[in-house]
Amino acid sequence: QSVLTQPPSVSEAPRQRVTISCSGSSSNIGNNAVNWYQQLPGKAPKLLIYYDDLLPSGVSDRFSGSKSGTSASLAISGLQSEDEADYYCAAWDDRLNGPVFGGGTKLTVL
Amino acid sequence: QVQLVQSGAEVKKPGASVKVSCKASGYTFTSYGISWVRQAPGQGLEWMGWISAYNGNTNYAQKLQGRVTMTTDTSTSTAYMELRSLRSDDTAVYYCARDLGRGSSSGAFDIWGQGTMVTVSS
Repeated sequence: QSVLTQPPSVSEAPRQRVTISCSGSSSNIGNNAVNWYQQLPGKAPKLLIYYDDLLPSGVSDRFSGSKSGTSASLAISGLQSEDEADYYCAAWDDRLNGPVFGGGTKLTVL
Repeated sequence: QVQLVQSGAEVKKPGASVKVSCKASGYTFTSYGISWVRQAPGQGLEWMGWISAYNGNTNYAQKLQGRVTMTTDTSTSTAYMELRSLRSDDTAVYYCARDLGRGSSSGAFDIWGQGTMVTVSS
C-alpha cells in the first residue's frame, strides 16, 4: 500500500491529452513539493517534473505538473506512442521523514 | 556528461550483506546528495535513504534503519550502499540517484544510475 495514491492505469489515443492524478495528505503533498518520474520498460526512472511544476532541461513541454491541496496531477498533451511507460509521483513526507512514492500508473497509448 | 555508473549484479544468500557502488562523473560530486531507491520485480519505487556527498550526513528510511549504511568516497566521487541481513524480499533493482535537495533529500532525483540487480536466494 503506497502512501501516495495513483490510478493503476490510464489510456488515451495518440495526439490526445491525458492526466494522471496523485493523492496524498497534509504530511506529504499538502506541505511539500511533488515530483514526477517516467519509467520506460527495463530502464531507470527519469525526472519529468520537479518542485510541483518545473521542467528539467531537455524534457518536452508536452509534460506539465500542477498541485492543489493534497493532490497533484501530471498532464501529457499530444500523446505519442513513446509516452507509453509507468509514471510515478513522489513527495517528501513529514511523518515518515523521507520521500514517498505513488504506486505508479501505467500509461497505454491506444 | 553527467552520469552515475553502478556496480554489477549480485547474487547473495539470505543473511549475507551486499555493497553496491555508484561512481559519479561530469559534475562536482560534493555539491549534491545521493539517494538510493530500489524496485522489487514488478513493483513500484521505494526510497531507501540519502547521503550528503558534502559532509556525509545521512537519512535512512525508517523500515531499513539498522540494516543499511550509506557512505561516500570524495576522492573517487563514489557513493556506496551496504545492506545487511539480506532477506528474499530484498531482491530488487537498486538505483542511486543525484538528489536536488540541500541538507536533506528533496524527493527530486535528476540523474539516475543504470541500476544494480541484487538477488537474494538460497
